[in-house]
Amino acid sequence: DTGVSQNPRHKITKRGQNVTFRCDPISEHNRLYWYRQTLGQGPEFLTYFQNEAQLEKSRLLSDRFSAERPKGSFSTLEIQRTEQGDSAMYLCASSSSPRDPSYEQYFGPGTRLTVT
Amino acid sequence: GQQLNQSPQSMFIQEGEDVSMNCTSSSIFNTWLWYKQDPGEGPVLLIALYKAGELTSNGRLTAQFGITRKDSFLNISASIPSDVGIYFCAGPHPNRDDKIIFGKGTRLHILP
Repeated sequence: DTGVSQNPRHKITKRGQNVTFRCDPISEHNRLYWYRQTLGQGPEFLTYFQNEAQLEKSRLLSDRFSAERPKGSFSTLEIQRTEQGDSAMYLCASSSSPRDPSYEQYFGPGTRLTVT
Repeated sequence: GQQLNQSPQSMFIQEGEDVSMNCTSSSIFNTWLWYKQDPGEGPVLLIALYKAGELTSNGRLTAQFGITRKDSFLNISASIPSDVGIYFCAGPHPNRDDKIIFGKGTRLHILP
């Protein structure tokens, strides 16, 4: 399978706990994106990486959120001191550089987080 | 902020019917993307459009890049049960082509 993979697919945690999600992009893609999606909404941009460099962070990404892509391959998204409002689907996507003819983003299956 | 408006929000159709949905923006877009999302899964790219007026097909799906560059349309012909899901339009932010903006989706229901 050469698509984007995410782990875990589901996570239930208690308020105040820390959680970490992992994303493995398509191997030849140098850009990796994190999105959050709540019920009835489209995906909302959180942050993205080009190779190992984090190029932008959305205002949605509070200081409890941190993302890394240490070797320019897989990425992790950590949420510290989770709150019930963090409950959502967290989606990862990857793409090639926008200087290429196409830069469509390919999504993983997502990690559904439930904070109780 | 920049928004993409999708219409309709939801639709209920009979199997075999054709479907039309659209997406509009107040700003010009240089690329339009159409995704489909099944419950509990990530969005899957259906069609990408790069030129105003472009008409592109993918099986029973046809999408068009509006001449004004502010809208796009997706048509599904002869709908089947597996077409059920949420269809999102998306496009690069007008000022930041490395960010993708999504509409809120059109939810398609097929009546038995």
